[in-house]
Amino acid sequence: AIRMTQSPSSLSASTGDRVTITCRASQGITSYLAWYQQKPGKAPKLLIYAASTLQSGVPSRFSGSGSGTDFTLTISCLQSEDFATYYCQQYYSYPWTFGQGTKVEIK
Amino acid sequence: EVQLVESGGGLVQPGRSLRLSCAASGFTFDDYDMHWVRQAPGKGLEWVSGISWNSGSTDYADSVKGRFTISRDNAKNSLYLQMNSLRAEDTALYYCAKENAIVGATGAFDYWGQGTLVTVSS
Repeated sequence: AIRMTQSPSSLSASTGDRVTITCRASQGITSYLAWYQQKPGKAPKLLIYAASTLQSGVPSRFSGSGSGTDFTLTISCLQSEDFATYYCQQYYSYPWTFGQGTKVEIK
Repeated sequence: EVQLVESGGGLVQPGRSLRLSCAASGFTFDDYDMHWVRQAPGKGLEWVSGISWNSGSTDYADSVKGRFTISRDNAKNSLYLQMNSLRAEDTALYYCAKENAIVGATGAFDYWGQGTLVTVSS
């Protein structure tokens, strides 16, 4: 199975900060990479798919980049509603796998 | 509006069975592959199983292979997960999820249900 490793596992940031989360795949997955946001008690929400395509309705402060094994999710100007846990996921080959998550907390 | 509504969760003893259902609406169900994803309490997301639009292909996580069976009924716009030989480690919130890619393509999960809780305990 392809292992997805996110870093950091958690981070503290302030509103207005630029935040970057990285995701590394144990083998190449071309651009079959998605990012999700999950808030407590809620289902995950798709933010980015195909590594860099913004899901409809998602604010443009979210962006994704990368291909192959190394990927990045960037939040350009953190808002209060962005404090949540973020997961990457590969859908290149079965079994599909998620990263362990990155919790973004208020500093 | 796309809706996915899971049901069938509950408390079950180890070794017993449970069948989860997911009722879909607001989109052409038989145009999309569907999946089950679970989340143990306080833990991350784990993909469990997926099924193609026409039931021609199914896949499973190693942790459930041989015990769980995914199926769908396109006439009823419904997805199912038959879970046998349940273990304590299967305790989780089970989400039904829709791919965002239409027939023949592969996509991420653009819609999720709210989940149904399965607790395996004696």
